Amino acid sequence: EVQLVQSGAEVKKPGESLKISCKGSGYTFSNYWIGWVRQMPGKGLEWMGIIYPGDSNTRYSPSFQGQVTISADKSLSTAYLQWSSLKASDSAIYYCATQLGGGNFWGQGTLVTVSS
Amino acid sequence: DIQMTQSPSSLSASVGDTVTITCRASQGISTYLAWFQQKPGKAPKSLIYGAFTLQSGVPSKFSGSGSGTDFTLTITNLQPEDFATYYCQQYNNWPWSFGQGTKVEIK
Repeated sequence: EVQLVQSGAEVKKPGESLKISCKGSGYTFSNYWIGWVRQMPGKGLEWMGIIYPGDSNTRYSPSFQGQVTISADKSLSTAYLQWSSLKASDSAIYYCATQLGGGNFWGQGTLVTVSS
Repeated sequence: DIQMTQSPSSLSASVGDTVTITCRASQGISTYLAWFQQKPGKAPKSLIYGAFTLQSGVPSKFSGSGSGTDFTLTITNLQPEDFATYYCQQYNNWPWSFGQGTKVEIK
């Protein structure tokens, strides 16, 4: 069974750094693109970026280029999304998602709250 | 970048109805189109990929069609558990992009 399990909710202050994770199982993690989707409160879904764990090839959506860093550790079957300096506007739910031959699979989401 | 436009943005329907949601791409995307269902407070659930292929475990009441720029999601025999927000998403070109969502509400 394909599963993506994300790390837990985070509460941070503006200016702090953060790294959240997404662990894949039930498929060959290295062989499929995996990415991050942002959902701000009451809003729609936005792709932030994707990474191919096999060679760490990474693509960012223009809106998120330079704002976040996406990485992956194929030995741990885990993808990461990190910020070096959070802003209040980064408060959102972040989902990881992957696209396999048999369809798309999502993590349960990680709520990030940034507040002073 | 490819823009995805869904219509309508919301609709009201009754239990037992059939509803159709339309998704239009700003340029051709072949059949690289997926549909997702999202309920409040939950992660999106994948329904369809490749424009018309049902994801495993998804009931056949959901169906997708289209290619190029125009796509539809049809839901037959609406049940209470089908009231949710539905999103289309293209994955033909990076950056992948979602439609703005269609909220299906109970009449």
